[in-house]
Amino acid sequence: AQSVTQLDSQVPVFEEAPVELRCNYSSSVSVYLFWYVQYPNQGLQLLLKYLSGSTLVKGINGFEAEFNKSQTSFHLRKPSVHISDTAEYFCAVSERQGYQKVTFGTGTKLQVIP
Amino acid sequence: DGGITQSPKYLFRKEGQNVTLSCEQNLNHDAMYWYRQDPGQGLRLIYYSQIVNDFQKGDIAEGYSVSREKKESFPLTVTSAQKNPTAFYLCASSGTVGYTFGSGTRLTVV
Repeated sequence: AQSVTQLDSQVPVFEEAPVELRCNYSSSVSVYLFWYVQYPNQGLQLLLKYLSGSTLVKGINGFEAEFNKSQTSFHLRKPSVHISDTAEYFCAVSERQGYQKVTFGTGTKLQVIP
Repeated sequence: DGGITQSPKYLFRKEGQNVTLSCEQNLNHDAMYWYRQDPGQGLRLIYYSQIVNDFQKGDIAEGYSVSREKKESFPLTVTSAQKNPTAFYLCASSGTVGYTFGSGTRLTVV
């Protein structure tokens, strides 16, 4: 079985400051990793994904994430946030084999303060 | 453009009524999913289907039913047996890796 932990339910940050949203996972097999963003009353949009290769993954809207296998982490970062980044962010994991069911974390609400 | 369409965006249900949420995709994806989202609980899997005419229960299937008669369509029925149906419902599909989501349906019991 796989699981995802997002320890921070809310993260307030001032505009133009850097931010890191933390994600840790557990799985007995190799995984794919994802970050999704959700704006109010909308569906989830894929920010970035790690499938293989370079452990530093760049996504849309200036976000990036680093896969750390030894720490089983996939933290999301942005060097300078904007008001428009205010949203909820979900980390997700799926196994590389079989059905590839995706398991989601409970989400982190990023609040950008003007 | 390819994508997933969920309708309606907002839905109101009276106590004891069944309601059906629509989900249509034109991505030619084999697998489709229904999730329920409640504040602070993330996404919980209701049902999923990997091929036409086949579907499996997810983590919280009680009080819900689905059908998969066409590859493009995966409607979800919220039955009167679902005691707390007020929530945001998300449909998703997947091809090879990762999901594509619809814009969601917000169901409220009145």
